Amino acid sequence: NAGVTQTPKFRVLKTGQSMTLLCAQDMNHEYMYWYRQDPGMGLRLIHYSVGEGTTAKGEVPDGYNVSRLKKQNFLLGLESAAPSQTSVYFCASSRSGGSGYTFGSGTRLTVV
Amino acid sequence: GQQLNQSPQSMFIQEGEDVSMNCTSSSIFNTWLWYKQDPGEGPVLLIALYKAGELTSNGRLTAQFGITRKDSFLNISASIPSDVGIYFCAGQLAYGNKLVFGAGTILRVKS
Repeated sequence: NAGVTQTPKFRVLKTGQSMTLLCAQDMNHEYMYWYRQDPGMGLRLIHYSVGEGTTAKGEVPDGYNVSRLKKQNFLLGLESAAPSQTSVYFCASSRSGGSGYTFGSGTRLTVV
Repeated sequence: GQQLNQSPQSMFIQEGEDVSMNCTSSSIFNTWLWYKQDPGEGPVLLIALYKAGELTSNGRLTAQFGITRKDSFLNISASIPSDVGIYFCAGQLAYGNKLVFGAGTILRVKS
């Protein structure tokens, strides 16, 4: 049982490049989330999804897009990467109406 | 939006000491959760609290859901080196499933 799997684990981008982070969960969870973690700022919600085909903005959505075409996958896209997007990105999932999230192990992204 | 104030920001303690940290908010939460993040990993759920006044233990960890529903506390007894990491509190509002996270408490243990 893999839980929540994030790929890639590490990536270095040049300013202006684009990339997609993939999150996959095998727990049949309805809800999925993307967070970014920066020193001293905890976990900030970027976008989330309450079910297949739905997405919603979180606390810090600017510069990111997401898609949830399949229930088990939640993709986070950066169309034109900026140094301010250097961060560690975490995906999480939860049952609808359930308590507590299961997190992936993170993607460390550096934009130079 | 809702904010959680988590304190202390960091702690550096001797092995064997007890540790206390807390989380406060101006909002009322339906659920309080405590997570631990090991270096290079994602947060892992330690304890979930569902009722005001609830006191729950998980091994050497004990957490309490404050009576006002605006705060929560986590205690670690007899700390050991593997307790090192970042501890996050999180609150879940009554309506909706999104968690609000505190900024984290960094725990370092001197052996």
